Amino acid sequence: SYVLTQPPSVSVAPRQTARITCGGINIGRRSVHWYQQKPGQAPVLVVYDDTDRPSGIPERISGSNSGNTATLTISRVEAGDEADYYCQVWDTNSGQPWVFGGGTKLTVL
Amino acid sequence: EVQLVESGGVVVQPGGSLRLSCAASGFAFDDYGMHWLRQVPGKGLEWVSLITWDGGNIYYATSVRGRFTISRDNNKKSLYLQMNSLRDEDTAFYYCAKEKMGSSSSWFLDFWGRGTLVTVSS
Repeated sequence: SYVLTQPPSVSVAPRQTARITCGGINIGRRSVHWYQQKPGQAPVLVVYDDTDRPSGIPERISGSNSGNTATLTISRVEAGDEADYYCQVWDTNSGQPWVFGGGTKLTVL
Repeated sequence: EVQLVESGGVVVQPGGSLRLSCAASGFAFDDYGMHWLRQVPGKGLEWVSLITWDGGNIYYATSVRGRFTISRDNNKKSLYLQMNSLRDEDTAFYYCAKEKMGSSSSWFLDFWGRGTLVTVSS
C-alpha cells in the first residue's frame, strides 16, 4: 500500500514561514489534500488538489506538489496556526484507498 | 451550513457491541459518499469505512473488516457504524466525514463532524 511520510514536528517563530512536507513515491503524480487539526477539534480541510483552498482558508496557507514531495506552506505564521497537519491521497491501487500521512505538529515558538 | 454530529460513543467492555450514529444537515446527503474515520487520542488519523451515496458500495479498513458494519438511511440523513467484537485497540475518537471528488478524480473529505469517543475497557 502507498505510504506517506511526514516529519513529526516543525517549529517556527511568529511571522515566519512554515513548510510541512509529505513524502511519497512519485507523489507529484497524485493529488494531495491537507487537513489542519487544532487541539480538541475535528480536522478541517485546508488544501485540496495540491494547491486549492476551500472558502474561508486564508491565502497565507498554500500547497505545492512535485516529484516525491508535497509541501504545505504557511506564510506569516500566527499563534493560531499551531496544530497538527495531515496530508492525504487517494490510492486507486489499494484495497484501502484512503491514505493519510502520520501527521506533523506545528509549534509556533 | 454543513453539519455532521456524531453520537453513541460510550465505555464498553472488550467483546461488546456499539452503534454509532452521525446526523447530517446542510447538504444533499443522498448525493455523497460518507466515511467513518478514527483517531486514538494523541495519535494520527485512521480511515475506517466508506459507503457510497446509495449504499451500493462499501469498503472497510483491514483492521475492522468482519467486525464493523457501515450503513446509511438517506431518508433520515443519517450514517451509522455498527461495531461488534470490540477490542482495546478500537478505543478512539470516531469521526464521520463527507467526501468530495477533486478535479483529478481524487477524493477528499471536505467536512468532518466533531467526533464521539469510544472507550473499550473492562
